[in-house]
Amino acid sequence: DTGVSQNPRHKITKRGQNVTFRCDPISEHNRLYWYRQTLGQGPEFLTYFQNEAQLEKSRLLSDRFSAERPKGSFSTLEIQRTEQGDSAMYLCASSFGGASNQPQHFGDGTRLSIL
Amino acid sequence: AQKITQTQPGMFVQEKEAVTLDCTYDTSDPSYGLFWYKQPSSGEMIFLIYQGSYDQQNATEGRYSLNFQKARKSANLVISASQLGDSAMYFCAMRRNHRGSQGNLIFGKGTKLSVKP
Repeated sequence: DTGVSQNPRHKITKRGQNVTFRCDPISEHNRLYWYRQTLGQGPEFLTYFQNEAQLEKSRLLSDRFSAERPKGSFSTLEIQRTEQGDSAMYLCASSFGGASNQPQHFGDGTRLSIL
Repeated sequence: AQKITQTQPGMFVQEKEAVTLDCTYDTSDPSYGLFWYKQPSSGEMIFLIYQGSYDQQNATEGRYSLNFQKARKSANLVISASQLGDSAMYFCAMRRNHRGSQGNLIFGKGTKLSVKP
């Protein structure tokens, strides 16, 4: 069990640029979640996948955000035309199934800073 | 609407003492799960302990125990014998177990625990 891996750990970019983050979940986990965490807050749900299917998107996920999970393995989260308000920690988590007793295991996150 | 409330922005505890971190929740679902996570300054969310809404006994995991009072909708985390490495943010979270639920976690704002030597 190598854990959930996210990269890059940090991303600094200018406003208006596009950025892409990658998440590699625990290999046997079929569910993958993306969360966003701003300073002083708990993580907020963005979207999740069951295998390769994206089954829900939060209203926090504007049209500038897109996520994919080809082949049900790793996932990418892309933000187009970044804005100052996109500065946050982006966390990926995975779990085996969606039952309430299954803990989600998180990666170290990608910290995005918009200049 | 589901909500998690953590009323203690920060807590201090002396090393080797016990500390309780408060969490109350709001849900109309009969079945749900409650989780506590630890987030050190490095950013990773570390799963600590789980309590199911139908569990009869309070959950325990090593030095962590959960004081679950269903009627009061509270799920407080108790850390015994605090260590310096326990200094971190602690988040309480809830997950629905309802047909059609997506299984995402709903988090509180967290409590920053500082352990004094």
